Amino acid sequence: GNSVTQMEGPVTLSEEAFLTINCTYTATGYPSLFWYVQYPGEGLQLLLKATKADDKGSNKGFEATYRKETTSFHLEKGSVQVSDSAVYFCALIPMFSGGYNKLIFGAGTRLAVHP
Amino acid sequence: DAGVTQSPTHLIKTRGQQVTLRCSPKSGHDTVSWYQQALGQGPQFIFQYYEEEERQRGNFPDRFSGHQFPNYSSELNVNALLLGDSALYLCASSLALASSYNEQFFGPGTRLTVL
Repeated sequence: GNSVTQMEGPVTLSEEAFLTINCTYTATGYPSLFWYVQYPGEGLQLLLKATKADDKGSNKGFEATYRKETTSFHLEKGSVQVSDSAVYFCALIPMFSGGYNKLIFGAGTRLAVHP
Repeated sequence: DAGVTQSPTHLIKTRGQQVTLRCSPKSGHDTVSWYQQALGQGPQFIFQYYEEEERQRGNFPDRFSGHQFPNYSSELNVNALLLGDSALYLCASSLALASSYNEQFFGPGTRLTVL
């Protein structure tokens, strides 16, 4: 079946440190891949997406590259800020979803950035 | 644009009771999906409504039911509540275009506690 595995948190970093959150997936063919962010007390927000192999999604300094050969979609940021503290979710929509765009999420990774 | 709104924000019920959660989609959206997010886990897809009909369902029992109204707003009903139903319930709206991926916008959620 389809599934997403993320590195366990919490991830604790100092401001301006480099961030990597690992995400791997299991799915048939070429699913669409996403990173969502959840700030305290808020709903999920789409951070970035990639819909085909080798695509790079980017937004607000965050990047992730769709790697079909390693079935991975790792999230990176060169210099984190305190305001990036949140829970990050990797997710996919299966390739043959019939347009129903049902999201399948990983368990989430909590990021805490300290000044 | 108010975005996706949900009510109530918090709810406390006892085992065996029934609960109704409400969601208003983002303006212009016609599709509503519901997700359950247990503490420390990623959201799990419950079902999706389009044109007032349930068109896809996740692995949830029949105690979970829903409805979509002509104005595209939606309700999630849970009967015979169990302790394990305690979670954050998220509503997401999107537009059912012909493309294979349509971005979902999430509301802030309803926190349900079952005692």
